[in-house]
Amino acid sequence: ETGVTQTPRHLVMGMTNKKSLKCEQHLGHNAMYWYKQSAKKPLELMFVYSLEERVENNSVPSRFSPECPNSSHLFLHLHTLQPEDSALYLCASSQDLAGGRGTDTQYFGPGTRLTVL
Amino acid sequence: GEDVEQSLFLSVREGDSSVINCTYTDSSSTYLYWYKQEPGAGLQLLTYIFSNMDMKQDQRLTVLLNKKDKHLSLRIADTQTGDSAIYFCAVYQTGANNLFFGTGTRLTVIP
Repeated sequence: ETGVTQTPRHLVMGMTNKKSLKCEQHLGHNAMYWYKQSAKKPLELMFVYSLEERVENNSVPSRFSPECPNSSHLFLHLHTLQPEDSALYLCASSQDLAGGRGTDTQYFGPGTRLTVL
Repeated sequence: GEDVEQSLFLSVREGDSSVINCTYTDSSSTYLYWYKQEPGAGLQLLTYIFSNMDMKQDQRLTVLLNKKDKHLSLRIADTQTGDSAIYFCAVYQTGANNLFFGTGTRLTVIP
């Protein structure tokens, strides 16, 4: 248990569906992250939030929409996804925004395995 | 950005030592991490090393950093079947304020 939980753990959706992924951290951290893990590709950073403000968006398609209502919760809203969006989506948190200090180490949740049909 | 490379697979016999290697490209990288991912699970932080260190030891784990060659390795002594997992190298790049991951090395421990 890393103190970061994600729900659901598995999700199957059609291309026309709308769904949301949820991440919650119980560590009192200020920064939260969404990553995409595809087979045989490096982990891709999608979004970064610090103190509920988005600070990074790495050219992610608009069909992925993040929301951070407070420092403990992070959502990823999904709509009109494509089959190539099937992947493991990982949430992470760190004490503060990663600034190259070991104390800003990111702690990961278990991930949501998403399959888009 | 940063290119972080790892070999995809490694097999070792139970009780032997495992050495997982990682290379990166940006010399301004400050912190370097090793994460473990077991089947169906998220990433678990194993250890990290700061770029002004050459070595860090933590129980069965030894991290070696050759900053000149931009080479990082993770040695697992007395490898057990429970060590079978995917191991990710991650490098923090100050300029990009970003953590870059390798593709992961799948370690298989043969009983």
